[in-house]
Amino acid sequence: KQEVTQIPAALSVPEGENLVLNCSFTDSAIYNLQWFRQDPGKGLTSLLLIQSSQREQTSGRLNASLDKSSGRSTLYIAASQPGDSATYLCAAVEYGNKLVFGAGTILRVKS
Amino acid sequence: NAGVTQTPKFQVLKTGQSMTLQCAQDMNHNSMYWYRQDPGMGLRLIYYSASEGTTDKGEVPNGYNVSRLNKREFSLRLESAAPSQTSVYFCASSELRQFRSNQPQHFGDGTRLSIL
Repeated sequence: KQEVTQIPAALSVPEGENLVLNCSFTDSAIYNLQWFRQDPGKGLTSLLLIQSSQREQTSGRLNASLDKSSGRSTLYIAASQPGDSATYLCAAVEYGNKLVFGAGTILRVKS
Repeated sequence: NAGVTQTPKFQVLKTGQSMTLQCAQDMNHNSMYWYRQDPGMGLRLIYYSASEGTTDKGEVPNGYNVSRLNKREFSLRLESAAPSQTSVYFCASSELRQFRSNQPQHFGDGTRLSIL
């Protein structure tokens, strides 16, 4: 059974810092790895989807990497802003596009 | 451009009552999913429908039933609600291609359900 772990559970940084969120998964037979953002009381917004044949994806200040062999993915946020404060979720994508989620990292960026 | 729409947004039930959560998507996606999110945990898959006319169990299906009414709509039913089913329920959809699953899922804003 796939298990996804996210470290740290919570993170507080001053504005402008670069930061890394970590995601690990136990079964490397995944199709993709997807990162989401969730604001309080809201649904999930897809940030980046890394296909199993790729090693990284970039969107603006966000960069996500994937190492299937070691069961790890990282989300790098450059020059963090208070508007980046949210919960970040990673999900391992299995056959049938079924997602197995981690518990999330709660990020707070202080101005 | 609505995307994935869930109704209702909030609901309070008494133990033993029944209820149906509605989900509709306007992106012409073939696959739809129901998840639940509990405090301190990630989302867990309840049921999914890979295509119109098919449904399958996910990780936590007990106490729930689903109906894929047509390509747009996928409903989740609680036949006899229990306090353990207090949660936030999310519906999602995506375009599922045979032998590939490389399309991102799109989520609704959730239904917050409390069972007393």
